[in-house]
Amino acid sequence: QSVLTQPPSVSGAPGQRVTISCIGSSSNIGAGYDVHWYQQLPGTAPKLLIYGNNNRPSGVPDRFSGSKSDTSASLVITGLHTEDETDYYCQSYDSGLSHWVFGGGTKLT
Amino acid sequence: QVQLVQSGADLKNPGASVKVSCKASGYTFTDYYIHWVRQAPGQGLEWLGCINTDSGVTNYAQMFPGRGTMTRDTSISTAYMELSRLRFDDTAVYYCARERDTAIVTWGQGTLVTVSS
Repeated sequence: QSVLTQPPSVSGAPGQRVTISCIGSSSNIGAGYDVHWYQQLPGTAPKLLIYGNNNRPSGVPDRFSGSKSDTSASLVITGLHTEDETDYYCQSYDSGLSHWVFGGGTKLT
Repeated sequence: QVQLVQSGADLKNPGASVKVSCKASGYTFTDYYIHWVRQAPGQGLEWLGCINTDSGVTNYAQMFPGRGTMTRDTSISTAYMELSRLRFDDTAVYYCARERDTAIVTWGQGTLVTVSS
């Protein structure tokens, strides 16, 4: 059971908008720690998609955006492309555990 | 460019030990923490711990102490993760990763460790 809870799967049609949630608690997201999002294509290492809650590294399309509120965070993908169909993970820090934590991952179909 | 290059895949018997290396290039090794993350087949990402590459101080996940050790050799810009008393459920791809501002900005290519008798 992951400390950060993500839906196992979400789906959307090309061109649509989807939201992937990442629900934490008062010892991680709610404590003010940043949330980061990673995209992992099959058979490859994850890639940083969003850092510091809502910032995109260079090269990441502006279709991807992040937000954070209270004890949860969200990744929003607008104008879905077929190549967006893959796995997404959120990550933060937990002060109760004193270490990093990942969400369980969400498969976007 | 910034790169983390890991050692190759390994097959081990239960109870054995494995040591995975992670050679950094393209940046000052001691300026950034190195983290280790693993992914069992078909599963999600699991954080194992990290090492301050400057001081050598480590922070391990709760599953790691007693079985795992993270070290580094600054003279060759290389970090290591050693896991002992291997179990079948340690079979996974092990990634090293470079942190910047609490996010992982660079990942190694991954090392598949298979535990099988």
